[in-house]
Amino acid sequence: SQELEQSPQSLIVQEGKNLTINCTSSKTLYGLYWYKQKYGEGLIFLMMLQKGGEEKSHEKITAKLDEKKQQSSLHITASQPSHAGIYLCGAALIRDNYGQNFVFGPGTRLSVLP
Amino acid sequence: DTEVTQTPKHLVMGMTNKKSLKCEQHMGHRAMYWYKQKAKKPPELMFVYSYEKLSINESVPSRFSPECPNSSLLNLHLHALQPEDSALYLCASSHTGGSGYTFGSGTRLTVV
Repeated sequence: SQELEQSPQSLIVQEGKNLTINCTSSKTLYGLYWYKQKYGEGLIFLMMLQKGGEEKSHEKITAKLDEKKQQSSLHITASQPSHAGIYLCGAALIRDNYGQNFVFGPGTRLSVLP
Repeated sequence: DTEVTQTPKHLVMGMTNKKSLKCEQHMGHRAMYWYKQKAKKPPELMFVYSYEKLSINESVPSRFSPECPNSSLLNLHLHALQPEDSALYLCASSHTGGSGYTFGSGTRLTVV
């Protein structure tokens, strides 16, 4: 099973609408990252959260890490066509004796209709 | 410098060719990673280097051979690849404590 789960799997919204994407882990997160990716292109770093309860914003995107550090949400306000893409959460998780390992969620595909 | 630089950005190679992907960072990170990403899938970990030593190999076929010549460079040597190896290959680096993960923009590899 996936170490990180994302919901929804895909999302279609009308331009101007707000939306939320969730990322859930069964393990404590030691750093939760949000990335955006256009099809076939590299990862675009959005923001990173480390402390429980932390919230960060950049332009119209806000991300929160819950107090127990096992879930994060990404909220987009007044969505625009430029927000379309695949949103991936990534996290450093404890892995056996090799220290921390970085894994990705399956991604949420966002389409914004003009 | 807060970037991970990958070269080339695009690569087309035949199944009998030998090629190398390169990754460079100057952030003082001592952990470096190779990921493979197929279409419509999240990146999947291939290799982890910690202090220039291979610490994780996710059962990657031997036609992929990583190399970490120094703390700033990470190479991925390719030989006798298959068409199904066509993918986006991403390099990343971080502090060994797990903070500061930074990804490169990737190399789009096509095997013909």
